[in-house]
Amino acid sequence: DADVTQTPRNRITKTGKRIMLECSQTKGHDRMYWYRQDPGLGLRLIYYSFDVKDINKGEISDGYSVSRQAQAKFSLSLESAIPNQTALYFCATSISGSYTGELFFGEGSRLTVL
Amino acid sequence: AQSVTQPDIHITVSEGASLELRCNYSYGATPYLFWYVQSPGQGLQLLLKYFSGDTLVQGIKGFEAEFKRSQSSFNLRKPSVHWSDAAEYFCAVGAWGNQFYFGTGTSLTVIP
Repeated sequence: DADVTQTPRNRITKTGKRIMLECSQTKGHDRMYWYRQDPGLGLRLIYYSFDVKDINKGEISDGYSVSRQAQAKFSLSLESAIPNQTALYFCATSISGSYTGELFFGEGSRLTVL
Repeated sequence: AQSVTQPDIHITVSEGASLELRCNYSYGATPYLFWYVQSPGQGLQLLLKYFSGDTLVQGIKGFEAEFKRSQSSFNLRKPSVHWSDAAEYFCAVGAWGNQFYFGTGTSLTVIP
């Protein structure tokens, strides 16, 4: 089983619908992230959380919200999806501490907004 | 501001040929540098990382990278490419406090 699991892996939805992408991890890491990947733009940070009570906006948080339900769970919501939110979304985790360790990624959730 | 530049959007190499993927970074302090690989339909996997010490770092799958502070570069190399190396490669810089900044990626095609 994957250490970082994302559901759903694929979703097609319509403009205006509410969508939730879920992420769960078994790595025991405190830090969790949501990234968005678009062709030619690389990965851009949407939100990150360093523990259950700590939620921070990334560079492109507009139109998104998150919930850290537990240490192991971090959900990304699109309250009213729009076509330019069509992208590949990745959840990632990292170990806590003052140094910068590597990220561990899920396999991605491909979202299409029609 | 922190940034990462991967100047090559797409590279094609023949199987068995050598490979170098370029990465330049902008960061005000000592950087933590990473190379990740993304195979089709998969998440990103860490190839190698540089924190300090020896500027030539070895990674998985036969890859290596060299940190050059004077050039603000962290180029990825492999002496002999295999068809299974076809993927997208991302360079990233890690800032203090677990902030990560990614380049736009380089797509590698390997031809027989």
